[in-house]
Amino acid sequence: SYELTQPPSVSVSAGQTASITCSGDRLGHAYASWYQQRPGQSPVLVIYQDTKRPSGAPERFSGSNSGNTATLTISGTQDMDEADYYCQAWDSSNVLFGGGTKLTVL
Amino acid sequence: QVQLQESGPGLVKPSETLSLTCTVSDGSISGYYWSWIRLPPGKGLEWIGYIFSSGNPIYNPSLKSRVTISVDMSKNQFSLKLTSVTAADTAVYYCARINGVNNWVGPWGQGTLVTVSS
Repeated sequence: SYELTQPPSVSVSAGQTASITCSGDRLGHAYASWYQQRPGQSPVLVIYQDTKRPSGAPERFSGSNSGNTATLTISGTQDMDEADYYCQAWDSSNVLFGGGTKLTVL
Repeated sequence: QVQLQESGPGLVKPSETLSLTCTVSDGSISGYYWSWIRLPPGKGLEWIGYIFSSGNPIYNPSLKSRVTISVDMSKNQFSLKLTSVTAADTAVYYCARINGVNNWVGPWGQGTLVTVSS
């Protein structure tokens, strides 16, 4: 199966827009999901099926998936958004996770 | 909202078998896929495997030789066994629901730390 590649870290000033990318050879042929994980907590779904936001996820979270890259965008980033973010997709019957991106809010 | 809770020993000796159970409450285990995922210290999430409520488990190829996932519908539980563990298997282990093939993972259990040490 292929791998999902994320940048290890992204920094953003509070109130600005953060973008986290996830690249994979066959990502354009599968749905991407995104999870937020704060220290000591379980992952929480913030985007599914590339662009959909589950109930409870703030409107500032949005997603896209084009070509071989999925992107999570956080508009008007807040201090509470500081966390690790993981992309996830499928390759045939296997579940794949990206390596994770630590988002720092300055 | 369905809830998941992991249970099992927090300490396992090297070369022994790690065994965990996930209890599903406020919802039926029937008709869904159920998964185990782990988070090693300082690393990222790693998918271990999943099973449909009626059986037919699928495992991460990198762990396939050591993993068994089973389901007990009468108890609304599913379980993980990982044999021949080493320190590299030390991690927080999560159980979670998979909402169909090619779909998202969630909800998740709170996670349980398993340490492999003598």
